[in-house]
Amino acid sequence: AQTVTQSQPEMSVQEAETVTLSCTYDTSESNYYLFWYKQPPSRQMILVIRQEAYKQQNATENRFSVNFQKAAKSFSLKISDSQLGDTAMYFCAFGGSNYKLTFGKGTLLTVNP
Amino acid sequence: EAGVAQSPRYKIIEKRQSVAFWCNPISGHATLYWYQQILGQGPKLLIQFQNNGVVDDSQLPKDRFSAERLKGVDSTLKIQPAKLEDSAVYLCASSLNRVGEQYFGPGTRLTVT
Repeated sequence: AQTVTQSQPEMSVQEAETVTLSCTYDTSESNYYLFWYKQPPSRQMILVIRQEAYKQQNATENRFSVNFQKAAKSFSLKISDSQLGDTAMYFCAFGGSNYKLTFGKGTLLTVNP
Repeated sequence: EAGVAQSPRYKIIEKRQSVAFWCNPISGHATLYWYQQILGQGPKLLIQFQNNGVVDDSQLPKDRFSAERLKGVDSTLKIQPAKLEDSAVYLCASSLNRVGEQYFGPGTRLTVT
């Protein structure tokens, strides 16, 4: 079974600064997907960024980028130029060959003005 | 495009009572998921439908939980009888297919007293 570990329960960052959220996972599969989801206080979960394991290039979406280290089974999320609207719970998720998503426990990010 | 709709948004019941949640996925999405999110944890998949057939219900407590997706569109999740530990947010998500991005609804917050 896959496991996803987010070791930072809470983090804070000043507006306009950069923050990195950590995620490690464990799997025996070679083909899989990794995701970062954002869950603001309104609780609607939205996809931030997605990485296919077979791609060596790290995914980027505007201010969001990942550092995918397949050998180390690490998948961190970097948020540049943090904005107040980035305040939310962030979940790392693993999607394997059975297409099920396994989520980590989440990191609560607070962006301070 | 309308998102995933869920109702009710909040529900408070006493233990041993029954409760039902409703989900209307995004139009055309073949795959529908029900997740349970206990406070402080990431979502846990309860059941996955492909059209109106069950793909995975390995983590559904079948002695008390049931779900159906008639006609491959709307879905209902029922708990009967509820226990205190069922207090959680129940999230519905849908995707075009099993490998597609999952879009989440706002969730139903259940409190069992």
